[in-house]
Amino acid sequence: GAGVSQSPRYKVAKRGQDVALRCDPISGHVSLFWYQQALGQGPEFLTYFQNEAQLDKSGLPSDRFFAERPEGSVSTLKIQRTQQEDSAVYLCASSFLGSGVAADTQYFGPGTRLTVL
Amino acid sequence: SQQGEEDPQALSIQEGENATMNCSYKTSINNLQWYRQNSGRGLVHLILIRSNEREKHSGRLRVTLDTSKKSSSLLITASRAADTASYFCATLGFTGGGNKLTFGTGTQLKVEL
Repeated sequence: GAGVSQSPRYKVAKRGQDVALRCDPISGHVSLFWYQQALGQGPEFLTYFQNEAQLDKSGLPSDRFFAERPEGSVSTLKIQRTQQEDSAVYLCASSFLGSGVAADTQYFGPGTRLTVL
Repeated sequence: SQQGEEDPQALSIQEGENATMNCSYKTSINNLQWYRQNSGRGLVHLILIRSNEREKHSGRLRVTLDTSKKSSSLLITASRAADTASYFCATLGFTGGGNKLTFGTGTQLKVEL
């Protein structure tokens, strides 16, 4: 695949349901990021992985949010007991190099639009 | 939280005109990047300018950076209908957050035929 892919593209959940969002980064990319984008806003950082290590999860809004990247490639963002305020587009990005290389470009996937009813 | 503000929030121009959008940020930065987001598509990286650079060009794009004023501008020359999109600036800081980008609020550009 040429770029970052995410699935599903759209997800509708009832309040209280758990959801899992998948990200397939560009093959060989070391770094993986999750961002949350509310309607009409810019993306906001959620968490960052370097290979399988989660180095920064400072942006996760609550302990209902959990992300993993067990083999250093595919990542899953899980939201437990979804709330209406979780409705947003969830963007995944990957970059070739690890942290400390400031000029490394992040490549974004198309996002998953989550709607919580 | 968002790093800063972009203005205008929305901009409508005719094809062939130039479009200028501005970005202000709050903290010291390593670099500043501009992204474009089309409806239904992900963010596409346009251009990066380092904190020690003042101006950079890429095709029809020109970016300036004024670190003393903590501001940047993106100029798109000879705009086309295909340039219709939302444009975001994003900063990379010096904190321990690795390559975490902090985005602005975005400018919605509409280029009309």
